[in-house]
Amino acid sequence: IAGITQAPTSQILAAGRRMTLRCTQDMRHNAMYWYRQDLGLGLRLIHYSNTAGTTGKGEVPDGYSVSRANTDDFPLTLASAVPSQTSVYFCASSDEAGAYTDTQYFGPGTRLTVL
Amino acid sequence: AQKITQTQPGMFVQEKEAVTLDCTYDTSDPSYGLFWYKQPSSGEMIFLIYQGSYDQQNATEGRYSLNFQKARKSANLVISASQLGDSAMYFCAMREENSGYALNFGKGTSLLVTP
Repeated sequence: IAGITQAPTSQILAAGRRMTLRCTQDMRHNAMYWYRQDLGLGLRLIHYSNTAGTTGKGEVPDGYSVSRANTDDFPLTLASAVPSQTSVYFCASSDEAGAYTDTQYFGPGTRLTVL
Repeated sequence: AQKITQTQPGMFVQEKEAVTLDCTYDTSDPSYGLFWYKQPSSGEMIFLIYQGSYDQQNATEGRYSLNFQKARKSANLVISASQLGDSAMYFCAMREENSGYALNFGKGTSLLVTP
């Protein structure tokens, strides 16, 4: 059982470059999420998707875009990377986006460094 | 305002002993869920246990239990019979019914289990 896979595992990127972080889940979950984890700030939601075809903004969406063409995939794109986007990025999924009881399961993370 | 507070930056416990990791939360929403995640040094976020605001009994999952004191707004994680593999960061998180889709995370507690 793979659960959630993310690629790449880590990446060093020059500022100004475009980058897409990939996320795939095999649990047929309806909802997917992107978080970033920074020291001292914890995990913060970037974007989410309730179901295929819909997306929404989280707490820190600026500089990021997402798409949800199908149930399994939820890529995160940095159109023009900046050093402040250096972080560890986690993709997560859950069965029922709208329920506060809904458990989110996380992928292994992508460590991104923008120079 | 910080919604989740974890006051213990670091904890030590001897192998086979029990340990309690503290978590207090702040919400005016009557419906919410509380979650604990483990993050080992490898970096992945592993879901451990869930407690709903209307649950009458404390949640348990194997060696993990949640000491839920609703009036005090606390949701402490108890790990019984600690093992060396329990050494990790532990994050408490909350999701409120009316606050959107994000999990609000605390800053975490680093647990070290010693032989």
